[in-house]
Formats: sequence, C-alpha cells, structure tokens
Amino acid sequence: QSVLTQPPSVSGAPGQRVTVSCTGTSSNIGANYDVHWYQQLPGTAPRLLIFDNTKRPSGVPDRFSGSKSGTSASLAITGLQTEDEADYYCQSYDSSLDAWVFGGGTKLTVL
Amino acid sequence: QVQLVQSGAEVKKPGASVKVSCTASGYAFTNNFIHWVRQAPGHGLEWMGLINPSGGTTSLAQKFQGRVTLTRDTSTSTVYMEINSLTSEDRAVYFCARRSGTTAGHFGLWGQGTLVTVSS
Repeated sequence: QSVLTQPPSVSGAPGQRVTVSCTGTSSNIGANYDVHWYQQLPGTAPRLLIFDNTKRPSGVPDRFSGSKSGTSASLAITGLQTEDEADYYCQSYDSSLDAWVFGGGTKLTVL
Repeated sequence: QVQLVQSGAEVKKPGASVKVSCTASGYAFTNNFIHWVRQAPGHGLEWMGLINPSGGTTSLAQKFQGRVTLTRDTSTSTVYMEINSLTSEDRAVYFCARRSGTTAGHFGLWGQGTLVTVSS
C-alpha cells in the first residue's frame, strides 16, 4: 500500500488530454509539502517531469502540467503522443513517517 | 557532464550482503543529499534512505533500519548502499538519486539503476 494513491492506469487517444490524480493525507500533501512527478519508460530510471507542484524542468514539453489542491495533486498531459506511454509517479514528503513517499504509479496507455 | 553512475548488476545468495556504489560527477559532490530508491520487478518506487555527502549523516526508512548502511567517500565522490541478510524480497533495481530544491526537495538526477538478484 503506497502512502500516496494513484489510479493504476489511464488511457487516451493521440491528441487527447489525460489527467493522473495523486491523493495524500494531512501529513504529506495536505501539510503543504510539494508534489513532484516522474515519468518512467520501461527499463529506464525515472525522469523528473514536474517539481514543486507546477514547475517544469528545462526540456520537458509544456504539454505536461501539474496542479495541487488540499490533499491532492494532478498531472495533466495534453496533445497525447505515443511516446508518452510510460509509468507516472507522484512523490512528496510525509512528516508523520519522516520519509519521502511515492504513489503506486499509473500506467499510461496511448490507444 | 552531470551524472550519477552506479555499479553493475549483482547476484547474491539468501543471507548474503550486497554493496552498491553511486559515483557523482560534473557537480560539487557535497552540495546535495543523495537518496536511494528501489523498485521490485513490476512494482512501484520505494524510498529507502538518504545520506548527506558533506557530513555523512544518514536517515533510513523504518523498514530498512538495522539492515541497510549508507556511507560515502568524498575523495572519489561516491556513495555506497549496503544491505545485509538478503532475501528474495530484496530482488529489485536500486537507484541513487540527487536531491535538489528546498524543504524536502525533489529528485532531478538519477543513476541508471543496479539490478540485485537474490537466488540460491
């Protein structure tokens, strides 16, 4: 059981918009700790996609965006492309556990 | 270039220990904490712990306390993660990651991962 809850899978057709949710509690996202998102292609290390809830590292297309409200956060991907097929993870910090925590991951399928 | 390079795959017997290295280059080694994250086959990411390369202080997830040791060698810009008493449940890819940012921070730079297989 992951501390942060994500849907196991989402899907969309090329060109469409999809969102991935990440639900936490009052000791992590709700405690105002930032949420970060990672993209992981098969057999590779995770890649930082969004940091500090809404910021994109250089090189990440603006098709990717993040938001946060209350105890939840979301990753939105617009203009879906086949190369977006990957696993996506949210991450934050939990003050009760004194630990960095991840969501269980969401597999994105581009139909 | 700025990178973290990990040691190669390991095969160990149950009960043995394994030590994985992570060598930093292209930036000031002591400026950023290094974290360790593992991923069992077909599963998600699991945070294990961190080390401050400057002073060597560490913090481990409760699950790994007493079984995992994190160390560093500033002369070679390398951090090490050692796990004792390996079981089949420790079969996973182990990643090191550099933390950036304020407060708890995020992981902007990752090693390529090291596969540890535990098999008799």
